[in-house]
Amino acid sequence: AIRMTQSPSSFSASTGDRVTITCRASQGISSYLAWYQQKPGKAPKLLIYAASTLQSGVPSRFSGSGSGTDFTLTISCLQSEDFATYYCQQYYSYPRTFGPGTKVDIK
Amino acid sequence: QVQLQESGPGLVKPSQTLSLTCTVSGGSISSGGYYWSWIRQHPGKGLEWIGYIYYSGSTYYNPSLKSRVTISVDTSKNQFSLKLSSVTAADTAVYYCARVRVDYGDYVYDYWGQGTLVTVSS
Repeated sequence: AIRMTQSPSSFSASTGDRVTITCRASQGISSYLAWYQQKPGKAPKLLIYAASTLQSGVPSRFSGSGSGTDFTLTISCLQSEDFATYYCQQYYSYPRTFGPGTKVDIK
Repeated sequence: QVQLQESGPGLVKPSQTLSLTCTVSGGSISSGGYYWSWIRQHPGKGLEWIGYIYYSGSTYYNPSLKSRVTISVDTSKNQFSLKLSSVTAADTAVYYCARVRVDYGDYVYDYWGQGTLVTVSS
């Protein structure tokens, strides 16, 4: 199975900050990567797929980049509703695997 | 607007079989281009992919659970189901059903149920 890692595991930020989360795959996955946002007690929400394609309805302050083994999720100007946990997920091979998550909380 | 709703017992005894159903509304489960998936999340932990099914019955399972998992589909009821046998406390988790959109090789989980907590305990 492909192992996904994320860094950092958690951090504190302020509204208006530009934040970047990194995801790394244990082997190359081309651009077969998605990012999800999860708030406490809620289901994950799809933000980005194909490493950089914004899901319909997701604000443009979210962006993704990368290919191969290294990927990033960037939030250009953090809003109050963005405090959540973010997961990357590969769909290059089976079994599908998720990263351990990055929790973004309020500084 | 597609909606998914999990249902089933919230408490299962050890060694028994966990059974959950996901009812899909706002769209047909028989529509091509979608898989129907189960994902779980242990309390306070990350997400674990269990598997998915196509409306035709083709399935893909996580090898770590494959010997105990069955996912099935009932197109007449617009539902799909999860059975996990021989459960232990390690199977205690929130179970989510989700739709997987297949788009030029991209498999993305675009609609999710709200999740249901299943506790394994005697």
